[in-house]
Amino acid sequence: TQLLEQSPQFLSIQEGENLTVYCNSSSVFSSLQWYRQEPGEGPVLLVTVVTGGEVKKLKRLTFQFGDARKDSSLHITAAQPGDTGLYLCAPEGGSEKLVFGKGTKLTVNP
Amino acid sequence: DTGVSQDPRHKITKRGQNVTFRCDPISEHNRLYWYRQTLGQGPEFLTYFQNEAQLEKSRLLSDRFSAERPKGSFSTLEIQRTEQGDSAMYLCASSRRDLFPYGYTFGSGTRLTVV
Repeated sequence: TQLLEQSPQFLSIQEGENLTVYCNSSSVFSSLQWYRQEPGEGPVLLVTVVTGGEVKKLKRLTFQFGDARKDSSLHITAAQPGDTGLYLCAPEGGSEKLVFGKGTKLTVNP
Repeated sequence: DTGVSQDPRHKITKRGQNVTFRCDPISEHNRLYWYRQTLGQGPEFLTYFQNEAQLEKSRLLSDRFSAERPKGSFSTLEIQRTEQGDSAMYLCASSRRDLFPYGYTFGSGTRLTVV
């Protein structure tokens, strides 16, 4: 059973600050997806990273897949209150199903 | 296409009652997934379908849970003899596996409260 760890579990910052959240595992993944979930809603796919060392940018969000494809990070520049939510990583391994971490609950205060 | 639709959004039931949830996936998606999410946790996989065939079931899916996708379109998840521990958000997702990366689209979920 793969162990998936997201850190930090909670993060509360002021508007305009930068932050990085992490997704780590002992297993190698074929790809990894990042989702954001708002309270009372389902997760929304942000990005899929596939290649080791890959960096993808989505406006103020920068996603990186580790060289060994065991870890990933999400960096947000100049956070805004609209970035508030639960950030989930979900690697795809050999199985069809997504396995989610517990997530990082981000609160951006105005 | 309006995305993945789940009904109802909220359900309150008494312990011991049966409940059924419905999920309508994106029409061209042949894969349909059910997940359960409790407070403070990420979604946990329950089961998935390829068209009408149920291909995998989690050990979390006890005998009281059953899921169907009779015509390869919408799906239902039934919980019999509900227990308080069944209280959770039940999420449905769909995807198409012929186009990589395999983006999963989630519905807004059904929030179940067992009292």
